[in-house]
Amino acid sequence: DAGVTQSPTHLIKTRGQQVTLRCSPISGHKSVSWYQQVLGQGPQFIFQYYEKEERGRGNFPDRFSARQFPNYSSELNVNALLLGDSALYLCASSSEWGADTQYFGPGTRLTVL
Amino acid sequence: EDQVTQSPEALRLQEGESSSLNCSYTVSGLRGLFWYRQDPGKGPEFLFTLYSAGEEKEKERLKATLTKKESFLHITAPKPEDSATYLCAGNSGGSNYKLTFGKGTLLTVNP
Repeated sequence: DAGVTQSPTHLIKTRGQQVTLRCSPISGHKSVSWYQQVLGQGPQFIFQYYEKEERGRGNFPDRFSARQFPNYSSELNVNALLLGDSALYLCASSSEWGADTQYFGPGTRLTVL
Repeated sequence: EDQVTQSPEALRLQEGESSSLNCSYTVSGLRGLFWYRQDPGKGPEFLFTLYSAGEEKEKERLKATLTKKESFLHITAPKPEDSATYLCAGNSGGSNYKLTFGKGTLLTVNP
C-alpha cells in the first residue's frame, strides 16, 4: 500500500511569492497534520485537519493556511514568503480523530530566495 | 508549554558498541510517547509508541522504554545502517493530537 505522498518534492520561490503544497494521506486515513522542520530542528506543528475541519493550529502567522478535501487530501498554502519559511514541510496522516500514531510523508523542501 | 528534550545532540559509536539515547518530556495529559527515525532529507519513519510508565517495546536492535519523566532508546550492537537522526515526540491529546518533537539525536555508527 502507498504511504503518505507529497508534492512537489522540491520548490524554489522568491520572497513575497505564494506557494501551495499538496498531501495525500494513507488510503483510509481521515486525519492530516502539517509540520515545518527547519534544518537541525525537530518538526514543529502547523495544522491538523479531520473530516475537512481544522482541529488544531500551531504558533504560525496567518500567512499559513490549509484545507482538507472530501477525499481527505490536503493543501498547505503560505503567502508572502519570507526567507525564514525555508524548511522541509511534512505531512502526516492518522487513521481517525484521536488515533495516536501519525505516519509521515517524504516532505516538500521549500527554499525561499 | 509542552517540551521535549533529547540528549545527546550527537552520538558517534563503533559498530557493535551499544548505547542509549535519552528523551525527557513535560507534556500535559500525555497520551503517548513516540520514537521516529529520520534519514537526511526524508520524512520521519515511525518506530514505537509507548503509553505508560514501565512499558517496553523492541524492534530488531532497538528497544524503547518509558518512565514518568523520560524515555530511552537503547541500541544493541548497532550497525552502520542504524545511522540516522532519532526523534522523540509527545502527543498531548486534549483538543487536538499534535506531536511535540525534540530536536533529535544524530547517531553515527562507524564500521
